[in-house]
Amino acid sequence: QQQVKQSPQSLIVQKGGISIINCAYENTAFDYFPWYQQFPGKGPALLIAIRPDVSEKKEGRFTISFNKSAKQFSLHIMDSQPGDSATYFCAASGYSGYSTLTFGKGTMLLVSP
Amino acid sequence: DTGVSQNPRHKITKRGQNVTFRCDPISEHNRLYWYRQTLGQGPEFLTYFQNEAQLEKSRLLSDRFSAERPKGSFSTLEIQRTEQGDSAMYLCASSPRPQGGLYGYTFGSGTRLTVV
Repeated sequence: QQQVKQSPQSLIVQKGGISIINCAYENTAFDYFPWYQQFPGKGPALLIAIRPDVSEKKEGRFTISFNKSAKQFSLHIMDSQPGDSATYFCAASGYSGYSTLTFGKGTMLLVSP
Repeated sequence: DTGVSQNPRHKITKRGQNVTFRCDPISEHNRLYWYRQTLGQGPEFLTYFQNEAQLEKSRLLSDRFSAERPKGSFSTLEIQRTEQGDSAMYLCASSPRPQGGLYGYTFGSGTRLTVV
């Protein structure tokens, strides 16, 4: 069964700190690993995504680290801000993302002022 | 066209009633997906269309569920004889035709269904 396991379930970080969320996958056919951010009452919004041919991708304060051999990837949010407080989902799919997504269960992030 | 539009935003229905949701994707996107999200969980895939063809259905999509995308534009998701277990957020997403690179879905804000 295709699965993506995400941890932690919830996370509290002080303003200016680093938030780290981890995910692990099983299906080696996955070749697209996005992170989504979801605010209450809204649909998930794509934050950043990576292919397994690179080990790291950075966009502003958001960085994905990818470990192909361990089948793990993580999201790092640098200089976390209260506006980053949201639920974050990792996901995975094949065909460079032009396919169905398998999501993790989500991490509720709270950045305290 | 600024995004994926879903209607209604909220729907409360009595058990046993039928409900229908509508999704209007981004106009140039040829793929349209339906996902279901329950409280505290990530979205789960239900079905997707490429243009008007329904290409894949999840085992989650029981016989009471049917989806259509006439003319490859908007899509509808109908649930017949609703059950309390159908209470969830139903999310629609669309994605563009491949042009190289990575493809991110654009999700709508969802329809929250409550079955009482």
